[in-house]
Amino acid sequence: DTGVSQDPRHKITKRGQNVTFRCDPISEHNRLYWYRQTLGQGPEFLTYFQNEAQLEKSRLLSDRFSAERPKGSFSTLEIQRTEQGDSAMYLCASSLYTGELFFGEGSRLTVL
Amino acid sequence: GESVGLHLPTLSVQEGDNSIINCAYSNSASDYFIWYKQESGKGPQFIIDIRSNMDKRQGQRVTVLLNKTVKHLSLQIAATQPGDSAVYFCAENSAQETSGSRLTFGEGTQLTVNP
Repeated sequence: DTGVSQDPRHKITKRGQNVTFRCDPISEHNRLYWYRQTLGQGPEFLTYFQNEAQLEKSRLLSDRFSAERPKGSFSTLEIQRTEQGDSAMYLCASSLYTGELFFGEGSRLTVL
Repeated sequence: GESVGLHLPTLSVQEGDNSIINCAYSNSASDYFIWYKQESGKGPQFIIDIRSNMDKRQGQRVTVLLNKTVKHLSLQIAATQPGDSAVYFCAENSAQETSGSRLTFGEGTQLTVNP
C-alpha cells in the first residue's frame, strides 16, 4: 500500500439515484478526510474521522450525505437522492494525527 | 468569512525560467500553510509547507515565502520544467481549528510551462 486509493474513479448516475464511494487510506494513518472539488475550485472540506469516530462535519454535508469509517480503516461516503449539483470530484485524504495530508486520486461523480 | 485566495488564475512561463505563484489569506489566526500541486485528473500533491514562525522555507527547486504583515504567501519554482505544469493551490490551517488537519484551500493558479 503506497497511497490513498479511491473507488470508483468515475461514476455517472441519474438524478435521484444513490451512490457510494470508498476510500482506503494509508494503512498507518489514523485520520481520514473527505473533500469535494468542483471544476476550477480548490477542495472544500466535508468531514473527517479520527479512527472510527467522525469528529467534524461541514455545513456542506447535507442530510443526503453520510460518511462512515466502521473499523477505523476504510471509509465510505454515500450520497442519497443525487442532484445535479452533487456533480464534483470527491477527494479522500489521510494523515497521521496532524501530519501532512496525502490525497487520493479522487472519485469523479457526474449526475445526469 | 475567512478565506484563502490567489492573485492570478493563470501563469505562463518559459521552460527554464523561475516561476512565482502568489496567495493572499485573510485569517490572521492562520499558522500553517501548504502548497499543493494538482495535475489534471489527479488528487492534490503536497509540495512544501511553512509554519507562521518562519518566513522562508526551501525545498528541492521550490521556496515558500510567508509575509505575515500583509498576509501573503508565495511559491517560487526554480528552473521551471514542463512537468511543473499544473494547478497550484495554497491552503491554510489555523491553530483555532479543532478539526485536525482540516485545510482551507484557495482557488488555484494554472501554471503552464512553454518549451
